[in-house]
Amino acid sequence: QLVESGGGLAQPGGSLRLSCEASKFTFSSYGMNWVRQAPGKGLEWVSHISSSGSPIYYADSVKGRFTISRDNAKNSLYLQMNSLRAEDTAVYYCARVTSSDDYSFDYWGQGTLVTVSS
Amino acid sequence: DIQMTQSPSTLSASVGDRVTITCRASQSISSWLAWYQQKPGKAPKLLIYKASSLESGVPSRFSGSGSGTEFTLTINTLQPDDFATYYCQQYYSYWTFGQGTKVEIK
Repeated sequence: QLVESGGGLAQPGGSLRLSCEASKFTFSSYGMNWVRQAPGKGLEWVSHISSSGSPIYYADSVKGRFTISRDNAKNSLYLQMNSLRAEDTAVYYCARVTSSDDYSFDYWGQGTLVTVSS
Repeated sequence: DIQMTQSPSTLSASVGDRVTITCRASQSISSWLAWYQQKPGKAPKLLIYKASSLESGVPSRFSGSGSGTEFTLTINTLQPDDFATYYCQQYYSYWTFGQGTKVEIK
């Protein structure tokens, strides 16, 4: 199970930190991702972190502004979002990589809404 | 970057129909393709991975095929629960989703 939190209203240029708490599986064995969905739009991959914490990848749209991290001792994934823009408004999902042999996403959280507006 | 293009964007069908959705990659992605189903207000659900492997618990009326740049998702005997939006996703190079195909009631 994956449960996101930390969403809410932020001003343009502001910051938010999202969290994703994992349970019922060995969190430290899986790569994790953040995927977002703007209102009424499709899915956009945001960032990936491997099971050990490295390597890390970002979509070009968030590179330099967002930072993904994880704490395997706390079974938690994070997304630090800085320099927020209106176009970052979306539901943010955390998603688990299926396995070390297959990098599809087999488990998803319920999502947390981030709204960037003045 | 690899671009994924789905067709059609919207599909009207009736219960019992056979439905096919196509996904095209801008370059070869081998078989590194997944299909997801999403219902309004819900998280996506993995249906197919590695182009044709059925995820555990997914009904056998769902099937996937293709390799390289052309892929299809087929739903045999469409059920009421299948009306949803479907996304393809490549994971050959990072991750990219198609724009989605909404399957609506005819």
